[in-house]
Amino acid sequence: AQSVAQPEDQVNVAEGNPLTVKCTYSVSGNPYLFWYVQYPNRGLQFLLKYITGDNLVKGSYGFEAEFNKSQTSFHLKKPSALVSDSALYFCAVREDTGFQKLVFGTGTRLLVSP
Amino acid sequence: DGGITQSPKYLFRKEGQNVTLSCEQNLNHDAMYWYRQDPGQGLRLIYYSQIVNDFQKGDIAEGYSVSREKKESFPLTVTSAQKNPTAFYLCASSMEGGVYNSPLHFGNGTRLTVT
Repeated sequence: AQSVAQPEDQVNVAEGNPLTVKCTYSVSGNPYLFWYVQYPNRGLQFLLKYITGDNLVKGSYGFEAEFNKSQTSFHLKKPSALVSDSALYFCAVREDTGFQKLVFGTGTRLLVSP
Repeated sequence: DGGITQSPKYLFRKEGQNVTLSCEQNLNHDAMYWYRQDPGQGLRLIYYSQIVNDFQKGDIAEGYSVSREKKESFPLTVTSAQKNPTAFYLCASSMEGGVYNSPLHFGNGTRLTVT
């Protein structure tokens, strides 16, 4: 069965500094990996996904993520954080064999200070 | 604009009453899902449906029921058997149809409070 771990409940960063939100995963086969963002009292919005190919994936709002197969990680990054990036971020994984459930991590709250 | 509509946004019920949460999508997506979100626990899958007239239990289906009579609609009923129903409920859909890497699209959720 697949699983996702987001080891940090909260990440604090100053505006203009780079940010990283960590995610590690476990699947039996090959993974499909996703990052979503959630603003208060709203649904989740898709940011980016990794299917295959280039290990660096670029997504919405200047976010990118790096797939590392040996470390089973898929960390979310942004070179320069904005106060408006403050939100709850979820990593999710799905195995690439037919229809599989999407499994979410517990979420990491990102707080960007001015 | 295409999207997923969940209604109502807030719902209050007395303990022992069944309640139905609405979810409608106009994205022409095959698959639909219901998730429950509780603080610190991420999203947990309640039920999902890959196609009309078919659905499967997720990880926490006890005390919930669904139907999928139309492609656009996937209502969730929270029954009195659900021990702790107060939560934020999220509906989602995805293209599927053999494309298993398509992202999920989410509605804006229904916050259910049972007292």
